[in-house]
Amino acid sequence: DTAVSQTPKYLVTQMGNDKSIKCEQNLGHDTMYWYKQDSKKFLKIMFSYNNKELIINETVPNRFSPKSPDKAHLNLHINSLELGDSAVYFCASSQGKNIQYFGAGTRLSVL
Amino acid sequence: GNSVTQMEGPVTLSEEAFLTINCTYTATGYPSLFWYVQYPGEGLQLLLKATKADDKGSNKGFEATYRKETTSFHLEKGSVQVSDSAVYFCALSDKNTGNQFYFGTGTSLTVIP
Repeated sequence: DTAVSQTPKYLVTQMGNDKSIKCEQNLGHDTMYWYKQDSKKFLKIMFSYNNKELIINETVPNRFSPKSPDKAHLNLHINSLELGDSAVYFCASSQGKNIQYFGAGTRLSVL
Repeated sequence: GNSVTQMEGPVTLSEEAFLTINCTYTATGYPSLFWYVQYPGEGLQLLLKATKADDKGSNKGFEATYRKETTSFHLEKGSVQVSDSAVYFCALSDKNTGNQFYFGTGTSLTVIP
């Protein structure tokens, strides 16, 4: 079983659209994250979330919003997509602030 | 503040060559240090870690020693294989900042036969 799974793996869409990326973890972890990886492989934390606290990287545009229906899921919703949003988005999870386990990534291409 | 600095890539080595990827850190407290590896088309996986000074993390032939005096955590492998081709990320987690993870910029390694 995949520990952290993301869907879709690839997402191609037009500028201005709204899209969501789903993430599920079956590790029983209490904290989940979203990262953005640009074309140079640089990783940037976007959000970290547990049932008590949402921490937002202040540089993330408010077009991006995390939504957590339950402890095992943290979806990423993006409004009004822009060309610069094209990247690979990674979900991760951890128990508390321990080792993070990553999903395989979602490659988003905005045309 | 906290930060991680890695040597810039890309790095290209022949099979069986010796690998070193440098990593230095800045932290306000006593961080835990990690190396993650990202194989092509995959997410990051933990490769090894060290939680206190002088600890050595090791896995799959890779090693890194937590050096407080030089604030370094260099990754080494004695003999690389083609299958080691990947991007390597150094990271730290610092209790003083709520154990948030700080990743380096990644170093791409290509091993040629």
